[in-house]
Amino acid sequence: IAGITQAPTSQILAAGRRMTLRCTQDMRHNAMYWYRQDLGLGLRLIHYSNTAGTTGKGEVPDGYSVSRANTDDFPLTLASAVPSQTSVYFCASRPQGAGWYGYTFGSGTRLTVV
Amino acid sequence: QQQVKQSPQSLIVQKGGISIINCAYENTAFDYFPWYQQFPGKGPALLIAIRPDVSEKKEGRFTISFNKSAKQFSLHIMDSQPGDSATYFCAAYSGVSTSGSRLTFGEGTQLTVNP
Repeated sequence: IAGITQAPTSQILAAGRRMTLRCTQDMRHNAMYWYRQDLGLGLRLIHYSNTAGTTGKGEVPDGYSVSRANTDDFPLTLASAVPSQTSVYFCASRPQGAGWYGYTFGSGTRLTVV
Repeated sequence: QQQVKQSPQSLIVQKGGISIINCAYENTAFDYFPWYQQFPGKGPALLIAIRPDVSEKKEGRFTISFNKSAKQFSLHIMDSQPGDSATYFCAAYSGVSTSGSRLTFGEGTQLTVNP
């Protein structure tokens, strides 16, 4: 089934630990995105990648890093988790040339940092 | 600093009623205004969208009203059903962006439609 797979679905993490959220898409979309969703704040862009080999910072990048070694995978790493990173994280992708209509979102990873 | 402001944060409507969610934006460079619907445990999914040169867009029970001069737009759900219970996000899209932040979301509205 074409789409975006995020793993894990949920995680409880001790503060200070390192964590990588995985995102894989099988649609060969060029652009990929990581958003965090917090109540009352909507979805905010963390990092993005317009194509394999390139990445950029979004609205709230501090404490997060990404890599884009190939078209399909876009992992998000928290080097040293803090409680303020408790959130639901969504990965999204978009094909080249697509506009507002082209975004596909994964089902999210619920992360709790204690 | 929220570029797209959405209200209310939560909304309870009786079955058959009209649900209204409002959004306002600041950046005149936005060139499309989509709405997303999100069910629990799922990612947002595109519901309906409007261009800024159109005052109204209707798809089934869902209507977007757009006021370009006021920089405001709203989603109306007619004959609201319990199955419409979800979180709704307005968004604004810019086709020209140097930062990659092409899609900017509002804060979200949690809609509950009571039977």
